[in-house]
Amino acid sequence: SAVISQKPSRDICQRGTSLTIQCQVDSQVTMMFWYRQQPGQSLTLIATANQGSEATYESGFVIDKFPISRPNLTFSTLTVSNMSPEDSSIYLCSGLPGDTQYFGPGTRLTVL
Amino acid sequence: AQSVTQLGSHVSVSEGALVLLRCNYSSSVPPYLFWYVQYPNQGLQLLLKYTTGATLVKGINGFEAEFKKSETSFHLTKPSAHMSDAAEYFCAVSGADSWGKFQFGAGTQVVVTP
Repeated sequence: SAVISQKPSRDICQRGTSLTIQCQVDSQVTMMFWYRQQPGQSLTLIATANQGSEATYESGFVIDKFPISRPNLTFSTLTVSNMSPEDSSIYLCSGLPGDTQYFGPGTRLTVL
Repeated sequence: AQSVTQLGSHVSVSEGALVLLRCNYSSSVPPYLFWYVQYPNQGLQLLLKYTTGATLVKGINGFEAEFKKSETSFHLTKPSAHMSDAAEYFCAVSGADSWGKFQFGAGTQVVVTP
């Protein structure tokens, strides 16, 4: 298994600013992912965070808006850039140490 | 590619009654199937999973699910609901052709009444 922490747990931001979310795993994991969960909805995969290379983005998500870093096998960051109220969501990271994804507690973002 | 359908966005059960949450999937390869629970203002917690082997899997908190290939289903059950079971439940599927990419269902909100 894996225990995942995220920082910050929540934030309120102004339109046009950027926020970087950190994700820390307590053990090395082969794959890490970032998801968005809009209010009252399911999880949507944003991208796969690749260690040492550029992230792989899903359809509808672009690097300029959601730059991702993964410098090692236990840490990743997601930046939400040039935010608008439509970006208000919960952002979750996950790690895949085997065949099961384990999730962080999420970062609740509100954009005013 | 895989997809998941959860029947019923909201389920209300009485305390002590059976909990049944339905999940159907489609997959072009043998699927790996998961149920997660999300309590208010928290992340997702794994309830149980099916990868290979026994088709009836038991998870935490008294939940179990049965993989039925002929019905492409992975329904979640608990014989007796407890107030603490009130949460949102997500079914998810992944497959060898898209390893690590989980497709989540829309979720089912469970309300438990006294």
